[in-house]
This record gives sequence, C-alpha cells and structure tokens, in this order.
Amino acid sequence: NAGVMQNPRHLVRRRGQEARLRCSPMKGHSHVYWYRQLPEEGLKFMVYLQKENIIDESGMPKERFSAEFPKEGPSILRIQQVVRGDSAAYFCASSPQAIVQETQYFGPGTRLLVL
Amino acid sequence: EDKVVQSPLSLVVHEGDTVTLNCSYEVTNFRSLLWYKQEKKAPTFLFMLTSSGIEKKSGRLSSILDKKELFSILNITATQTGDSAVYLCAVEAFIDNDMRFGAGTRLTVKP
Repeated sequence: NAGVMQNPRHLVRRRGQEARLRCSPMKGHSHVYWYRQLPEEGLKFMVYLQKENIIDESGMPKERFSAEFPKEGPSILRIQQVVRGDSAAYFCASSPQAIVQETQYFGPGTRLLVL
Repeated sequence: EDKVVQSPLSLVVHEGDTVTLNCSYEVTNFRSLLWYKQEKKAPTFLFMLTSSGIEKKSGRLSSILDKKELFSILNITATQTGDSAVYLCAVEAFIDNDMRFGAGTRLTVKP
C-alpha cells in the first residue's frame, strides 16, 4: 500500500503566478488534511476535506487559497497570485475516517518557493 | 528510501502510568527529529532534537535522541487523561529540508 503521495515535491513560482499542489491519499482513505509549515514554525492546519466536500476551512486564508477533493483524482490545494509569504512547506495527510477516530498519515510535503 | 517507524502503533494505559514511545529512522543527511502531539487539528510541537544523548524535558514529558542507533524515545510520566492523543515523530534532513513523518502512536489514558 503506497503511502500518501504529494507532487510536486518542490515548486518554484514567481510572484503573481499560480501554484497547484497535489495530494493523493492512501488507498481507502477518504479524509484529507492540508497543513502549512513556515520556516521555524510548527504545522498550521489549513483545511479538512472529505470526498467532494470541504468540512473545515477555518485555517485557510480567505483570499487566493482554495482546496478541492474531487470524487476522482487527487486533492488539490491551489494558491493564486502567489506572494513571497506563501513560501513554505505544505503537507497533506489522509485518514480513513475523521481525525478523532483514526491516525493521520502524512505525505512528504511540497516545498513552495516564491521568487 | 528514507523512513520513520514509530512503535507501538497504539497504547492503552491508566492514569498515573509511565509510557515510552519509540521512533526509529533511516534518513539520509539527518538534521533533526521532532515530536508532535495531535489531538484535533494541527499537531502541536513538543520537542526538537538534534544532538545525541541530551535529554529535553517539558513538565512530565521528556525525550532523547540516539544518533548512533538511529532512534528517539518520548517518555510521559504520571500520565493523565489529557495526554490521550496521537504522538507523531518526524525527521528532517539537511537536503531540501526534507521531512518524513512516522505513522504515529495513538495513546489512550484511561481514568
């Protein structure tokens, strides 16, 4: 069983461009979580999704950021018009059920660098 | 391939017990090992370990790293029900600040 896959592993964008980060959960997992890790800081929750539904987006900036988890295919975290402050490591985790019942499995992360 | 293995995967104890959680790793260009506690949303940072043999303490929690044997332990003494959580271990590498998480240990502390 392959683990949580994230791609790309590294992404370089210029200010104003769009960044698309993909997360393929473990097989059988229908819950996906996105986190951001800024340099020298801990993980910060961004959004929690189930298939085709956003359950909790309280940690996601209201503008420029969006997330989806379609019925088929990976979950996508999309950042429009990136700014330098978006440079961070973005981690995705998946679980078969909601977090309080099940352990999350983390992917290796995508490191976004905005020039 | 780099990997981080935590054991046990789950653990049930009673209040007042002492627990030891294990994290072993195989990571190229090791930089640091981090322990997190996850209850609801984002994992809460506990410790960062970079040097072998130096114990870090925070209240009833302590952790130590062995870079020769490639493992770390997290100790919790006099456990309380509030310690119930998933404890995650993650290892950072120097190259590209690569970070690998273990699968976590789910600790349940019963009254």
